[in-house]
Amino acid sequence: AQSVTQPDIHITVSEGASLELRCNYSYGATPYLFWYVQSPGQGLQLLLKYFSGDTLVQGIKGFEAEFKRSQSSFNLRKPSVHWSDAAEYFCAVGADFGNEKLTFGTGTRLTIIP
Amino acid sequence: EAQVTQNPRYLITVTGKKLTVTCSQNMNHEYMSWYRQDPGLGLRQIYYSMNVEVTDKGDVPEGYKVSRKEKRNFPLILESPSPNQTSLYFCASSFEGRVSPLHFGNGTRLTVT
Repeated sequence: AQSVTQPDIHITVSEGASLELRCNYSYGATPYLFWYVQSPGQGLQLLLKYFSGDTLVQGIKGFEAEFKRSQSSFNLRKPSVHWSDAAEYFCAVGADFGNEKLTFGTGTRLTIIP
Repeated sequence: EAQVTQNPRYLITVTGKKLTVTCSQNMNHEYMSWYRQDPGLGLRQIYYSMNVEVTDKGDVPEGYKVSRKEKRNFPLILESPSPNQTSLYFCASSFEGRVSPLHFGNGTRLTVT
């Protein structure tokens, strides 16, 4: 069964600092991987996704993520955060065959300090 | 405007009283799904549907029913709600399954007393 772990419940960074949010997945083959962002009181929005090919993927709002098969990881990065990046971030994994389930992690809440 | 519409936004009910949360999308999407969001647990998939009359269980389907009689609608039915179903519920849709970006509704906050 597929699963995903986001080890950091809450991260605080200063505005302008770099950011890395961790995501580890469990799945036997190459999964479909996603990062979604949830602003307060709203639904989720897709930041980026990985299916195959280049292991470094670019997303919206200046975010990128790197797929590392050897570490079963798909960490999200941003070189310089803005106050508007404060939100909750969810990593999600889907199997590459058999069903259309999408399993989300428990989320990482990002706080930005001036 | 392309959107996923859920109703109601807030619902307070009592144990055992059947309820339906509606979800409608105007983007002609094939795929629709329901999630519940609980503190510390993230989003958990309840049911999903790849097309009309095609539904399948997610990770936490117990206590819920769904139907997909029309492409645009995907209601979530709680036949006999219990307090452990108190949660924030999201409906989502996409053009072609989970590989396409999911469009989320604004959520329904359900309280079962």
